Amino acid sequence: DADVTQTPRNRITKTGKRIMLECSQTKGHDRMYWYRQDPGLGLRLIYYSFDVKDINKGEISDGYSVSRQAQAKFSLSLESAIPNQTALYFCATSDPHGGGDGEQFFGPGTRLTVL
Amino acid sequence: AQKITQTQPGMFVQEKEAVTLDCTYDTSDPSYGLFWYKQPSSGEMIFLIYQGSYDQQNATEGRYSLNFQKARKSANLVISASQLGDSAMYFCAMRGPPGGSYIPTFGRGTSLIVHP
Repeated sequence: DADVTQTPRNRITKTGKRIMLECSQTKGHDRMYWYRQDPGLGLRLIYYSFDVKDINKGEISDGYSVSRQAQAKFSLSLESAIPNQTALYFCATSDPHGGGDGEQFFGPGTRLTVL
Repeated sequence: AQKITQTQPGMFVQEKEAVTLDCTYDTSDPSYGLFWYKQPSSGEMIFLIYQGSYDQQNATEGRYSLNFQKARKSANLVISASQLGDSAMYFCAMRGPPGGSYIPTFGRGTSLIVHP
């Protein structure tokens, strides 16, 4: 089974709708991240969380909110979706103190289309 | 603040040849880490290789090596003996020191196409 899972994998929604993207991990990592990827722009950080009680805005948090329900779960919400939020969304985890190099482990991505 | 620059939007290489993907970075921290990730057309992000700022040797992982030139602040990825399956987007990323925010920063990526 995948260590980092995202649901849904694909979603088409309409402008103004509320949508939630969910991320779960079995790696036991405290740190979780949400990114969006747009062609030519790379990955841009939306929100990140260092533990359940620590949530921080990233580079492009406007229009998004998050919830860290447990160490293993980190959800991203679009309260009122707009077309320029159409993108590929990634959840990632990392464990900088776990003896590794601090690399991130990514979920498979959620492709979101807002019409 | 950290910054990663990948100046090559697209690269082409003949199968079995070597290719270098450029990455320059900027940071004021003396301790940092550099990463390369591969994103095939299927979309997943795959970690390839890591270089720590204090590592004396250039990192290698199979056909991947990282040409780390600290004074020039460059961390180029070298893929030897390219294969068709190497066709993908490649992202360079860096993180700050473990005691700091440790938030990774990504470049915009380079699209590599391997020709038969």
